[in-house]
Amino acid sequence: KAGVTQTPRYLIKTRGQQVTLSCSPISGHRSVSWYQQTPGQGLQFLFEYFSETQRNKGNFPGRFSGRQFSNSRSEMNVSTLELGDSALYLCASSLAASTSTDTQYFGPGTRLTVL
Amino acid sequence: DAKTTQPPSMDCAEGRAANLPCNHSTISGNEYVYWYRQIHSQGPQYIIHGLKNNETNEMASLIITEDRKSSTLILPHATLRDTAVYYCIVRVATGNQFYFGTGTSLTVIP
Repeated sequence: KAGVTQTPRYLIKTRGQQVTLSCSPISGHRSVSWYQQTPGQGLQFLFEYFSETQRNKGNFPGRFSGRQFSNSRSEMNVSTLELGDSALYLCASSLAASTSTDTQYFGPGTRLTVL
Repeated sequence: DAKTTQPPSMDCAEGRAANLPCNHSTISGNEYVYWYRQIHSQGPQYIIHGLKNNETNEMASLIITEDRKSSTLILPHATLRDTAVYYCIVRVATGNQFYFGTGTSLTVIP
């Protein structure tokens, strides 16, 4: 079974621009979560989508948004980029997230650099 | 917020067992302990998880104390490829998000 895939793997943008990152979950997985990883803050939860609905949200400003499609693929968007948005963005998928034992499997990440 | 405490770094000789401790004194009765590892700039890799019983798989063993306030991840025969940051996570019972702490940077020494 193919793992979680993320595109693009690397991205360079300038301040003020917006960016869209894509995540394809493992086949059959219905939940997709997004995380941001920076050297200063570590790995932080952004949001989770399940059945095309945002179900959980972390403590990030409204510039960070996402969506999920009917095939469970997900995109996240960051508008009005700031230098501090430079980070590794990770996507994780899980089967259904209906129990506390649902295991998340992570993709390789998208490295975003904001200049 | 992360509910776990781990030592920032550890060394282990190649071929020896690596024992990585984790404190989670505020864990609730229905919260699972998960372990992931992250090799530099790659996505975190799932290792193992458990609730109250000890667990073992092809990668590692997880020992959870009877009071569930701490656990130990055991890599039985560490190799150089096990050099990574290891995260111990208490998975909240409601919601599907993991709160990662700072983890333990394990270095396997030849």
